[in-house]
Amino acid sequence: DTEVTQTPKHLVMGMTNKKSLKCEQHMGHRAMYWYKQKAKKPPELMFVYSYEKLSINESVPSRFSPECPNSSLLNLHLHALQPEDSALYLCASSTQGQRNEKLFFGSGTQLSVL
Amino acid sequence: AQSVTQPDIHITVSEGASLELRCNYSYGATPYLFWYVQSPGQGLQLLLKYFSGDTLVQGIKGFEAEFKRSQSSFNLRKPSVHWSDAAEYFCAVGAQAGTALIFGKGTTLSVSS
Repeated sequence: DTEVTQTPKHLVMGMTNKKSLKCEQHMGHRAMYWYKQKAKKPPELMFVYSYEKLSINESVPSRFSPECPNSSLLNLHLHALQPEDSALYLCASSTQGQRNEKLFFGSGTQLSVL
Repeated sequence: AQSVTQPDIHITVSEGASLELRCNYSYGATPYLFWYVQSPGQGLQLLLKYFSGDTLVQGIKGFEAEFKRSQSSFNLRKPSVHWSDAAEYFCAVGAQAGTALIFGKGTTLSVSS
């Protein structure tokens, strides 16, 4: 299994809603990542978990809250989002989080905030 | 600070013609360089990577890239483009251990018939 699975594929939410994005991999990878990608832009790193501990938090607003329940799962909890948060949210994983490692990406969750 | 520059925002190539996408990097130590491809609404797929050794790297889907340290470049090439190659292409550099990739702004490839 060389896949990173993200659910849901599409999500529409209001600014007062609470929702969660989910990501799962069964490749035994110990580093997992959340990226945000706006249309026609490169992915921007949000969070990195390494061995289930948050190792990178790129000054992301607190309305985004990551969670890594175990080495296979990564969640992104969303609360009180703004319309400018509408984007494609990509999850990725790699073996150990070293800079020479390939990232495996999921297909993303397309989020629309109304 | 490390960075990646893709000078071409949009390139159109005729089907069957050759392709070269440019990438320049800035990194003090040995760079770990990657090319990823993204189809609309999809995640990114790795085409190839360079860590060390042979400066001409072969990847999937008939792509290759050449690392030139003197020019700080890692250009992606394909001898004959297919319509299915139309996508967004990102060059990236692996930053220090414990962090993730730094991506260029991307090049949109259109293929005309």
